[in-house]
Amino acid sequence: DAGVIQSPRHEVTEMGQEVTLRCKPISGHDYLFWYRQTMMRGLELLIYFNNNVPIDDSGMPEDRFSAKMPNASFSTLKIQPSEPRDSAVYFCASSRATSSEQETQYFGPGTRLLVL
Amino acid sequence: QQQVKQSPQSLIVQKGGIPIINCAYENTAFDYFPWYQQFPGKGPALLIAIRPDVSEKKEGRFTISFNKSAKQFSLHIMDSQPGDSATYFCAASSREGSARQLTFGSGTQLTVLP
Repeated sequence: DAGVIQSPRHEVTEMGQEVTLRCKPISGHDYLFWYRQTMMRGLELLIYFNNNVPIDDSGMPEDRFSAKMPNASFSTLKIQPSEPRDSAVYFCASSRATSSEQETQYFGPGTRLLVL
Repeated sequence: QQQVKQSPQSLIVQKGGIPIINCAYENTAFDYFPWYQQFPGKGPALLIAIRPDVSEKKEGRFTISFNKSAKQFSLHIMDSQPGDSATYFCAASSREGSARQLTFGSGTQLTVLP
């Protein structure tokens, strides 16, 4: 398996622009998680999906952030409008909902976002 | 209640040394404690995990020690190698809700000198 795939790997944009981050989870995984990593706040869970349905979005910082999962193999995280404080590395992770494997989350390589 | 406190923030050891990273938690509902390893430019990857019914788990050169009464757990790396240089995150989760949401520690940047 190719693992979790994220695109783009790097994104540089100007304040006020819309940013869309993409994720393809591992085939067969039921859960998909979006995280943000910064030096100040570490790894923060933003939102997670189960079978394409958003379950908990309490970590989404504000209304400028939105996430969708239109099918089992694709998810997007959108920031509109972007601000410099959104600069971070955004990770997507997926896991399988079986009794023993559910705990292991497999992370993608991340998207490094810089908002100027 | 959900916080996991990790220390130290950074650690430098010589090759062959035994770095120890410590974590503490408050939420007694946590029942799964994984450690993730992250290399620069990569996503975190599961290294080793433990449940509170055992006090120690060993996989290769990596050992987790768990103290349930103190609500603390630690990672030991035996015979550390330069290739172990990475950032290590402890985490904790419970079966609340429909999925295991991981609460991560702040990370420890480990450097193993040759």
